Formats: sequence, structure tokens, C-alpha cells
Amino acid sequence: KAGVTQTPRYLIKTRGQQVTLSCSPISGHRSVSWYQQTPGQGLQFLFEYFSETQRNKGNFPGRFSGRQFSNSRSEMNVSTLELGDSALYLCASSLGPTEFQETQYFGPGTRLLVL
Amino acid sequence: QQQVKQSPQSLIVQKGGIPIINCAYENTAFDYFPWYQQFPGKGPALLIAIRPDVSEKKEGRFTISFNKSAKQFSLHIMDSQPGDSATYFCAALEGTGNQFYFGTGTSLTVIP
Repeated sequence: KAGVTQTPRYLIKTRGQQVTLSCSPISGHRSVSWYQQTPGQGLQFLFEYFSETQRNKGNFPGRFSGRQFSNSRSEMNVSTLELGDSALYLCASSLGPTEFQETQYFGPGTRLLVL
Repeated sequence: QQQVKQSPQSLIVQKGGIPIINCAYENTAFDYFPWYQQFPGKGPALLIAIRPDVSEKKEGRFTISFNKSAKQFSLHIMDSQPGDSATYFCAALEGTGNQFYFGTGTSLTVIP
């Protein structure tokens, strides 16, 4: 079974631009969560989607948004990029929603650099 | 505010040593505590997880010790190998919550 895939793997943008990242979960998984990973901060939760519905959102500004499609693929969008948005963005998929405590499988991440 | 506090930030041990990584939390509603292992260029992968109804869980060379009264849990790696060199994250989840809270990570280096 193929793992979680994320595209693109690397991205360079300039301040003020917007970016869209994509995540394809493991086949059959209906939950996708997004995290921002930065050195010293660890993984910070962005949002979770289950069956096309956003179930929870972390403490990030409204510039960060996401959505999930009927095939469970998910995208996240960051508008008006700031230098501090440079990070590794990870998505994780699981069969059910997070509160079911099922294993989350992470993708390799998208490395975003904002110049 | 960091919901899960992890220490140390980095750790270097000799092959065969037993590195110990510690995590502490305050929220008594947390009831699921996984540990993840992350290699460079890869996403984190679940290593082992524990619930507060047990004080210890072993899977291969990896052991979680859980102290509910102290609100602390730790990861022990027995007979550590150079291939264990990675970053380790602890995490916690409330029973009814839909958000994992992660520690800040521990970079482990096992010297041959």
C-alpha cells in the first residue's frame, strides 16, 4: 500500500506570495492532519480534516487554510507569506478521526522557504 | 504554551548504551501518549504508544515508562545502535480531543 505523499517536496517563495501544498493520504484513510515543523518548536498542529469537514484548527492566523476533497486528498494554502512561515509542512493520515487514537502516518513533508 | 515538555534537546550515547528521553505534561485529560521517530528527510513514524492504565510498555528494544501521579513519561532505548540515531518526539492526546500535542523533540546520536 502506498504511503502518504506530499507535493511538492521543496518550494521557494517570496514574501507576500501565496502557496498551496497537497497531501494524498493512504488509500482508505479519511482523516488528514497538517502540522508545521520548525527547529526548536517541534510539530505544531495546523488543522484536521475528516470526511471533507474541518474538525479542529490550531493556533495559526487566518492566512493558513485548508480543505479536503471527496477522495480524502487535502490541500493547505498559505496566503501573504511571511519569512516566519519557512518550515517543513507535514501531513498525516489515519483511518478515523484523531480522537479514535488510531495511528497517524506521516508523509515526508514539503519544505517551504520564504525569501 | 508548550503542553508537553520534552528533555533533553539532544543526547549522545555510545553503542549499547540506554538513552532516556523524558516528557512531562499538565493536562490530566490526556490519555494517549505516542512516541515518534524521525529520520532526516522523512516524516515522523509511530514507534510505540501507551495509555495511562499501564505503567510500562515494551516493544522490542523500546520501552515507555509512565508515571501518572507525576504526569511524566519516558522512552528508553535498550542496547542502542547507530541506526537509532534520529529525532524522537513524544506526544499527547485528550480522550475527546482531536489534536495531538507534540514535544519539541530530542536529537539522539548513537556513536559506534
